[in-house]
Amino acid sequence: GENVEQHPSTLSVQEGDSAVIKCTYSDSASNYFPWYKQELGKGPQLIIDIRSNVGEKKDQRIAVTLNKTAKHFSLHITETQPEDSAVYFCAASIGGNNRLAFGKGNQVVVIP
Amino acid sequence: DAGVIQSPRHEVTEMGQEVTLRCKPISGHDYLFWYRQTMMRGLELLIYFNNNVPIDDSGMPEDRFSAKMPNASFSTLKIQPSEPRDSAVYFCASRSTAGPGELFFGEGSRLTVL
Repeated sequence: GENVEQHPSTLSVQEGDSAVIKCTYSDSASNYFPWYKQELGKGPQLIIDIRSNVGEKKDQRIAVTLNKTAKHFSLHITETQPEDSAVYFCAASIGGNNRLAFGKGNQVVVIP
Repeated sequence: DAGVIQSPRHEVTEMGQEVTLRCKPISGHDYLFWYRQTMMRGLELLIYFNNNVPIDDSGMPEDRFSAKMPNASFSTLKIQPSEPRDSAVYFCASRSTAGPGELFFGEGSRLTVL
């Protein structure tokens, strides 16, 4: 199967707190897991990605962790700021790695 | 580079009319993808091209949808005839690498079919 599921669908956090979004995938052959951020009226933009030979990757306030055994990966945003408010999509590579299956997205709201 | 360019940004049309959406990928990118975004179904891959050749069109909903890529710098997605359930945001994205890698999305074309 090619399902990618995200939880929760909506997340509200106080500015300065951390936000965590979790995704599960079904295709055991998936080996590339990107996260995209979509702001209102714009296209999704890659913020971080991880490959299956790595368990964790960090870029400033953003980190992604991967558990291949359990088939889930998570996005962690620390010290959230109002500009982090957006829809976040996880995705997993499928079909010989040329395609991505996206989750339905999480609306993150950072409350000032 | 200007990024992936899509037109029109917004289109409102009546049921039964033909709709053509356009995309200019980033220069040098060999892969081009068309996605549809709705609240109910999220981001769905419709079709993708490699070096102007359609590789996988299994996501195209039905025969009313067609896509072409006549050259490396231009692609179209056509809906004929359009129906209200086609209302969505259509994104074009391009990628330079053969394997999994960053997709660069355009700003989308918001289609409303009345």
